[in-house]
Amino acid sequence: DTEVTQTPKHLVMGMTNKKSLKCEQHMGHRAMYWYKQKAKKPPELMFVYSYEKLSINESVPSRFSPECPNSSLLNLHLHALQPEDSALYLCASRSGLAGNNEQFFGPGTRLTVL
Amino acid sequence: AQSVTQPDIHITVSEGASLELRCNYSYGATPYLFWYVQSPGQGLQLLLKYFSGDTLVQGIKGFEAEFKRSQSSFNLRKPSVHWSDAAEYFCAVANSGGSNYKLTFGKGTLLTVNP
Repeated sequence: DTEVTQTPKHLVMGMTNKKSLKCEQHMGHRAMYWYKQKAKKPPELMFVYSYEKLSINESVPSRFSPECPNSSLLNLHLHALQPEDSALYLCASRSGLAGNNEQFFGPGTRLTVL
Repeated sequence: AQSVTQPDIHITVSEGASLELRCNYSYGATPYLFWYVQSPGQGLQLLLKYFSGDTLVQGIKGFEAEFKRSQSSFNLRKPSVHWSDAAEYFCAVANSGGSNYKLTFGKGTLLTVNP
């Protein structure tokens, strides 16, 4: 299984809602990533988890809260978002072993904030 | 800090024509280089990667790329473009790894294919 799955595929939420994005991989990877991608732009790194610990937070607003419950699962909890947070949210994983530097990306969740 | 430059924002080619997408990187050590393709509304698909060894790497869908250290380049090529190749192409560079591993993307090149 060389797949990263993300649910839901699409999400529409109001600014007062609380929702969560889910990412899962069963490749035994120990590093997992959240990216945000606006239209016609490259992905921007948000968070990195390494061995289930948060290792990088790219100064992301606190209305985005990541969680890594176990080595296969990564969540992104959303609360009080703004319309400008509408974007494609991509999850990725990497083995974490030295010299193995390929990231596998999921299909993304298309988020619309009204 | 590492960086990637894709000089061409938009390229248009005719179906069947050859293609070259340019990518220049900046990184102090040996880079790990990637080309990803993204169709509208989709995630990123890895076309090919360079870690070490042969500087000409073959990827999926008939793409290849050549690593030229002296020019800090990793250009993507395809001898004959198909209409289905129309998409956004991202070049990316990664640092050496570990817990501070970071993948940096270029701004992308949008490929349009004319029939």
